[in-house]
Amino acid sequence: ETGVTQTPRHLVMGMTNKKSLKCEQHLGHNAMYWYKQSAKKPLELMFVYNFKEQTENNSVPSRFSPECPNSSHLFLHLHTLQPEDSALYLCASSQVASGSYNEQFFGPGTRLTVL
Amino acid sequence: LAKTTQPISMDSYEGQEVNITCSHNNIATNDYITWYQQFPSQGPRFIIQGYKTKVTNEVASLFIPADRKSSTLSLPRVSLSDTAVYYCLVGLMDSNYQLIWGAGTKLIIKP
Repeated sequence: ETGVTQTPRHLVMGMTNKKSLKCEQHLGHNAMYWYKQSAKKPLELMFVYNFKEQTENNSVPSRFSPECPNSSHLFLHLHTLQPEDSALYLCASSQVASGSYNEQFFGPGTRLTVL
Repeated sequence: LAKTTQPISMDSYEGQEVNITCSHNNIATNDYITWYQQFPSQGPRFIIQGYKTKVTNEVASLFIPADRKSSTLSLPRVSLSDTAVYYCLVGLMDSNYQLIWGAGTKLIIKP
């Protein structure tokens, strides 16, 4: 148990569906992250929120839309996804997202399959 | 941008010391090097972090040579439960949030 929870753990959706992934951290951290993990590829950082402000986009397609209503919750809204978006989506948190690296605590991930 | 390179896989036996090396060309002066461990169906978990020379904690050691172009994670006396994927991560302090993850090394420990 890392103190970071993600729901759902598994999600299957069609290309025309709209769904949302949820992440919650119970660590009192101020920074939260979304990562995409595809088979045999490095983790890809998608979004960073520092004190609820988005600070990194990394050229993620607009069909992925993040939302951070407070420091403890992070959402990833999905719409009109493509089959190549199938992957494990990981949420992480850290004390802050400063210039120096901070230890990140990861949730178990949501396994997403796009049909 | 710094890029990390790790072996795709490694095998070892229980009780042995395992060393996993990561190459990181063009690492910047202020970058830190971090290693994570990931088990199936779980997110990565922090193991150790260092800047130069040697760092040791209760589970691993990290060796970084003077030129910092590589680093070696050392796991002493491994057990079956150390079977996992190990990631090398270089943090770029002068390029906001450009955290460069390696592709990971799948370590298999045999009885």
